[in-house]
Amino acid sequence: AQSVAQPEDQVNVAEGNPLTVKCTYSVSGNPYLFWYVQYPNRGLQFLLKYITGDNLVKGSYGFEAEFNKSQTSFHLKKPSALVSDSALYFCAVRDWQTGANNLFFGTGTRLTVIP
Amino acid sequence: DVKVTQSSRYLVKRTGEKVFLECVQDMDHENMFWYRQDPGLGLRLIYFSYDVKMKEKGDIPEGYSVSREKKERFSLILESASTNQTSMYLCASSLSMPSGSRTSGANVLTFGAGSRLTVL
Repeated sequence: AQSVAQPEDQVNVAEGNPLTVKCTYSVSGNPYLFWYVQYPNRGLQFLLKYITGDNLVKGSYGFEAEFNKSQTSFHLKKPSALVSDSALYFCAVRDWQTGANNLFFGTGTRLTVIP
Repeated sequence: DVKVTQSSRYLVKRTGEKVFLECVQDMDHENMFWYRQDPGLGLRLIYFSYDVKMKEKGDIPEGYSVSREKKERFSLILESASTNQTSMYLCASSLSMPSGSRTSGANVLTFGAGSRLTVL
């Protein structure tokens, strides 16, 4: 079975401060992990993914995420938050050994960056 | 610029009506998906298709059907709309990936802007 947990419904951070959006996962095999962002009244946009290799993955808009196998986590981070980063963030996982092509999404974390 | 286009951004329907949600992609992707998005529940997969005329049930297929007659088009059908189907519907597409493959770039979903359906 595959699942993703985003323990925080809401994260508030001051502009210029570092931000972290948390994600933990559960898969039976090896994971593909993804972060997507959704701006108001828009579809989801791809931010970054982990497939294999370096545990620190860099993505769009200055975001990065760290894969931690022992903690089964894939937290999204950014060193300095912008007001324009305010959006809904989704973590997603796929077990690449199952042969299915769909992703399992978390429930989302709303990030608000306060000016 | 690659695109997934959903034909209707906002729809209001009455209980019992038949509803069609259309999705077209111009990226020659094999896979297409329909999700619904509800607050606190995230995205839940309704159906997906990995080829023309092929479909597979997702996590919540009850009350829905799909049609994929052409590679670029994937339709979601609500045979008899109910109020609990009021939601945001998201279509997505992706390249196919062979089982066990670690091909870079595979499995990134490209989403449409969404269709917000209200059933009265």
